[in-house]
Amino acid sequence: DGGITQSPKYLFRKEGQNVTLSCEQNLNHDAMYWYRQDPGQGLRLIYYSQIVNDFQKGDIAEGYSVSREKKESFPLTVTSAQKNPTAFYLCASSIWGKDTQYFGPGTRLTVL
Amino acid sequence: AQTVTQSQPEMSVQEAETVTLSCTYDTSENNYYLFWYKQPPSRQMILVIRQEAYKQQNATENRFSVNFQKAAKSFSLKISDSQLGDTAMYFCAYNTDKLIFGTGTRLQVFP
Repeated sequence: DGGITQSPKYLFRKEGQNVTLSCEQNLNHDAMYWYRQDPGQGLRLIYYSQIVNDFQKGDIAEGYSVSREKKESFPLTVTSAQKNPTAFYLCASSIWGKDTQYFGPGTRLTVL
Repeated sequence: AQTVTQSQPEMSVQEAETVTLSCTYDTSENNYYLFWYKQPPSRQMILVIRQEAYKQQNATENRFSVNFQKAAKSFSLKISDSQLGDTAMYFCAYNTDKLIFGTGTRLQVFP
């Protein structure tokens, strides 16, 4: 089955730790995205990548880092510099920038 | 600034009835795409319907249809024959080079 997978589904982090959220797609999409969703709010763009080995900052990139070494993978690292990381994180992909984005099931990150 | 406004934080509808969710947006672009996404309690974002701005014909997907008014920058979603499974948050979004989301409308379908 084609789709987008995210792991883990739930993640707990102690203050001061870096954690990495996984996002994998087998849709052969060029573009991939990371969003953050806080309670009662829409999605905000963290980082996006339109091609392998290239990525761009979104609206709220501070405290996050990404890599795009393979077309199918776009991991997100939440660093200790992110002051309020507790949120729901969604990964998405699309054929190209303006077209439909398809989403993974999300990762719920909680800082203890 | 590019924005999307959903003026109805919450709505409710009886099963089998019709409901319309409102959305307006602001952009200076001429070529863009518009979307409605559904987010059920599982929190996965599911595409409901898609509209290309250069197409005048309103998009339809089974029970879901849109009323796209480009000059007014309005993009409402009509759900016909509402079902209990339609209960979810609904997000309007448009895409030029980034996907911009509204704050969502929580829809409750009652039996």
